[in-house]
Amino acid sequence: AQSVSQHNHHVILSEAASLELGCNYSYGGTVNLFWYVQYPGQHLQLLLKYFSGDPLVKGIKGFEAEFIKSKFSFNLRKPSVQWSDTAEYFCAGGNRDDKIIFGKGTRLHILP
Amino acid sequence: GAVVSQHPSWVICKSGTSVKIECRSLDFQATTMFWYRQFPKQSLMLMATSNEGSKATYEQGVEKDKFLINHASLTLSTLTVTSAHPEDSSFYICSASGRNTGELFFGEGSRLTVL
Repeated sequence: AQSVSQHNHHVILSEAASLELGCNYSYGGTVNLFWYVQYPGQHLQLLLKYFSGDPLVKGIKGFEAEFIKSKFSFNLRKPSVQWSDTAEYFCAGGNRDDKIIFGKGTRLHILP
Repeated sequence: GAVVSQHPSWVICKSGTSVKIECRSLDFQATTMFWYRQFPKQSLMLMATSNEGSKATYEQGVEKDKFLINHASLTLSTLTVTSAHPEDSSFYICSASGRNTGELFFGEGSRLTVL
């Protein structure tokens, strides 16, 4: 069955630390992958997306993600986090023109 | 960027009544809209996929007679929670996908509380 799984449910980091949030998917064929962020009290926003091409995708606010097909992974990274990055992060994936499935989310808490 | 708007953002109703939530794409035509439900501290659970002009496709375990979805135009989809019960209290989020974009744009969400 199609699925998206996120390894970390809750991550706590200090400011300036490096971040990597894991995401694995189980899809056949061409897959579209996304990372969304939900800041406290706000709605979901797209951080970045991968459809095809360069597997290293750069998004907004200094985030990037790397699509590794052999590992079925699409991990989110940021070299140096800020307090304002405190939010919940959702990995999502789907085949083109099909429904998109979300992972369970990772709650990131940055200590000032 | 594209904007998707939901209304109402917050609704309280009595048990047994029906509630309608609207989802509008404001600056693009949405051929496909998705309805999600988000429980506290949990991820988004896809409820159904609605395509303009056709019947919605419901996910396994979602009662189609309880959660009525109508996608009558390229800019509007509605979710009606019929005969609501307290267990239907949740945060409902819609998203819209434009033609050939593959990207989802999310509404602000609608918080339903059933007393």
